[in-house]
Amino acid sequence: KAGVTQTPRYLIKTRGQQVTLSCSPISGHRSVSWYQQTPGQGLQFLFEYFSETQRNKGNFPGRFSGRQFSNSRSEMNVSTLELGDSALYLCASSLGGYSYEQYFGPGTRLTVT
Amino acid sequence: DAKTTQPPSMDCAEGRAANLPCNHSTISGNEYVYWYRQIHSQGPQYIIHGLKNNETNEMASLIITEDRKSSTLILPHATLRDTAVYYCIVRFLLPGGTSYGKLTFGQGTILTVHP
Repeated sequence: KAGVTQTPRYLIKTRGQQVTLSCSPISGHRSVSWYQQTPGQGLQFLFEYFSETQRNKGNFPGRFSGRQFSNSRSEMNVSTLELGDSALYLCASSLGGYSYEQYFGPGTRLTVT
Repeated sequence: DAKTTQPPSMDCAEGRAANLPCNHSTISGNEYVYWYRQIHSQGPQYIIHGLKNNETNEMASLIITEDRKSSTLILPHATLRDTAVYYCIVRFLLPGGTSYGKLTFGQGTILTVHP
């Protein structure tokens, strides 16, 4: 079974630009969560989508948004990029029930210059 | 989510068992204990989870104390490839058992396996 895929794997953007990252979950998984990882803050939860609905959101500004499509694929968007948005963005998928483990993708490395 | 406390780093000799402790003294009855690990620059990898009973899978064993205030992840025969950051996470179950995807990661334990 194919794992979680994220595209692109690496991205360089300039301050003020916007970026869209994509995540394809494992087949059959309906929940997709997004995380940001930085050396200073560690792994932080951004939001979770289940059946195209955002069910939970972390403490990030409104510049961070996401959506999920009917095929469970998800995108996250960051507008008006800041230098501090440079991070590894990770996507995780799960079947959706509470006790189900989450499977992470390899991440997208975003560098903002 | 309940707070977890882990030692910042541990060492282990290759071939020996690695025992990684985690304290979660404020855990409530409907919270699961999860373990993930992250090898440098890769996405975290699920290892194992449990509620009350000890659990074992092909990767590791999870021992949860009777009062559930602490747990130990055991890698029975550590290899160099087990060098990673190990995260102990407690997940809260919402009323009605609805899915709650958020994982709250702490700083984890850096496990270094030596030849």
